[in-house]
Amino acid sequence: GIQVEQSPPDLILQEGANSTLRCNFSDSVNNLQWFHQNPWGQLINLFYIPSGTKQNGRLSATTVATERYSLLYISSSQTTDSGVYFCAVVSGYNKLIFGAGTRLAVHP
Amino acid sequence: NAGVTQTPKFQVLKTGQSMTLQCAQDMNHEYMSWYRQDPGMGLRLIHYSVGAGITDQGEVPNGYNVSRSTTEDFPLRLLSAAPSQTSVYFCASSYESPQSSYEQYFGPGTRLTVT
Repeated sequence: GIQVEQSPPDLILQEGANSTLRCNFSDSVNNLQWFHQNPWGQLINLFYIPSGTKQNGRLSATTVATERYSLLYISSSQTTDSGVYFCAVVSGYNKLIFGAGTRLAVHP
Repeated sequence: NAGVTQTPKFQVLKTGQSMTLQCAQDMNHEYMSWYRQDPGMGLRLIHYSVGAGITDQGEVPNGYNVSRSTTEDFPLRLLSAAPSQTSVYFCASSYESPQSSYEQYFGPGTRLTVT
């Protein structure tokens, strides 16, 4: 099956810093999503991005499907950005394969 | 729209007990799924459904049953709870469109502890 690897596993930032999270996947995929799991456990859709680049406020994402990776950029980080960021790719109809996540802690 | 709702939010069971986790969506999505998340890990697919009356197994289906009698509801049944089923359970729904094929939307989760 498809393997999804995320890096780094852990990240600590000072408020205001920028960061890049990476997601590599082992096979061609049609769909890719980025999620933020906040400290209360809620999963929040960030991006649906099978290819190309999207931006939403301080967050942006780029997927290069031909090279099997996606990047999530966080600029001017805030303490509310803390949590776990998951990348997931779609296998089959609607079966999401998740990476292990990147745990982000933003300190004031 | 309420989106994807799950009940209960928390549940404690004794080994061997059975229970049903409820999931409902009001977005008329054809696809629904159940995932479990163990500590420090990503989510893993338990069962999924591509429409009313149609279900299939995911990556970790053992010990769980599902049915889909309506588009809106997709309950997950634990037949005989075991401590290994202690986890957070998420329900998700999705639909196919040219703009966002199978983009999934998640419920708030049910935290289950089996003692």
